[in-house]
Amino acid sequence: EDQVTQSPEALRLQEGESSSLNCSYTVSGLRGLFWYRQDPGKGPEFLFTLYSAGEEKEKERLKATLTKKESFLHITAPKPEDSATYLCAVHPDSNYQLIWGAGTKLIIKP
Amino acid sequence: DVKVTQSSRYLVKRTGEKVFLECVQDMDHENMFWYRQDPGLGLRLIYFSYDVKMKEKGDIPEGYSVSREKKERFSLILESASTNQTSMYLCASSLPPVREQYFGPGTRLTVT
Repeated sequence: EDQVTQSPEALRLQEGESSSLNCSYTVSGLRGLFWYRQDPGKGPEFLFTLYSAGEEKEKERLKATLTKKESFLHITAPKPEDSATYLCAVHPDSNYQLIWGAGTKLIIKP
Repeated sequence: DVKVTQSSRYLVKRTGEKVFLECVQDMDHENMFWYRQDPGLGLRLIYFSYDVKMKEKGDIPEGYSVSREKKERFSLILESASTNQTSMYLCASSLPPVREQYFGPGTRLTVT
């Protein structure tokens, strides 16, 4: 069964304290992996798409990487405005739908 | 920039009412989606459409229907609202076949 698991469920960091969020997946074949940011009460905002193992994408303090089993979202020197829930979704070969993870709630304290 | 708009940010309806949620996108995307999002359950796909007048059931279509008469507009209909349909409803659009989805701001629906 296709599955996406994000960890941790929640992460509290001090401003400037770098860390990583994990998205592990079990799918028959990967067509693409997507990262989104969601602020409270709003729709998810698209961040990155990764298609193959070894690929990396960067945007400001965020860098997404992909292996054959998981993806990491690295956050370097985060600021309070990076606080949000980060969602991961996978498009498997076997399905036309995205498989969504439950998200990681990131809190950055000043 | 892609823009997806939803007709209401907040909606309060009574049990048994027929509810219409409207979604419009301005990027000429073929695919459109309706999700609901509940705490602890994540995003769940209700219906999606890959072309005008075409629709496919998602994971939780029961109690819902959809309409897509124009490419830019996708409507979600709750035929007879029930309290267990209280939720955040999110509309999204994308290019085919399955590309990154762009979401609207969401509609927080409360059924009393």
